[in-house]
Amino acid sequence: SQQGEEDPQALSIQEGENATMNCSYKTSINNLQWYRQNSGRGLVHLILIRSNEREKHSGRLRVTLDTSKKSSSLLITASRAADTASYFCATDAETSGSRLTFGEGTQLTVNP
Amino acid sequence: SAVISQKPSRDICQRGTSLTIQCQVDSQVTMMFWYRQQPGQSLTLIATANQGSEATYESGFVIDKFPISRPNLTFSTLTVSNMSPEDSSIYLCSVAWTANYEQYFGPGTRLTVT
Repeated sequence: SQQGEEDPQALSIQEGENATMNCSYKTSINNLQWYRQNSGRGLVHLILIRSNEREKHSGRLRVTLDTSKKSSSLLITASRAADTASYFCATDAETSGSRLTFGEGTQLTVNP
Repeated sequence: SAVISQKPSRDICQRGTSLTIQCQVDSQVTMMFWYRQQPGQSLTLIATANQGSEATYESGFVIDKFPISRPNLTFSTLTVSNMSPEDSSIYLCSVAWTANYEQYFGPGTRLTVT
């Protein structure tokens, strides 16, 4: 069964605005990772947050993790047209041995 | 991170044939995995490529259809056998140095089966 669900499925914003994407999962995890994919190419690793962390920052990215709600969010601040891509969360379950389960993804469009 | 390459980057194949995809990493890694991304969908794990032993397959994937080799800590191959149009997907390898750390992906191989 699919571990992760993301919402929204699609998000369209104007350049300069903030974009928030959410991810929910079902089982206990070691960590949760966020990736970006441009036009069906390879995945770019954005950030990893471990189960004992609540928030992490990297440049314009802010990730939160709420293990009690089994959910995470990715915030991109001051978005740019180059941020247009699909964003995926992936969970590394406690018993998975680093085998990742991906969410359905959010397609972000940033309009110039 | 590491430099991960995949060959070929894309291919168009006839149904009933097989294609072998290569994944090369520029440093030794503990773990290597193969994923499939069907058109418009998310990624699904096919198998874990184990160095020197048989791969570990996920539910719904079998060795006869997706044989995998991993002869050393920097290289793995995935073969898509007896292809049908339903096998048209992007196939990606990923690597990790240790558990509970970042997992990095190759650029993917876009396969179209006609």
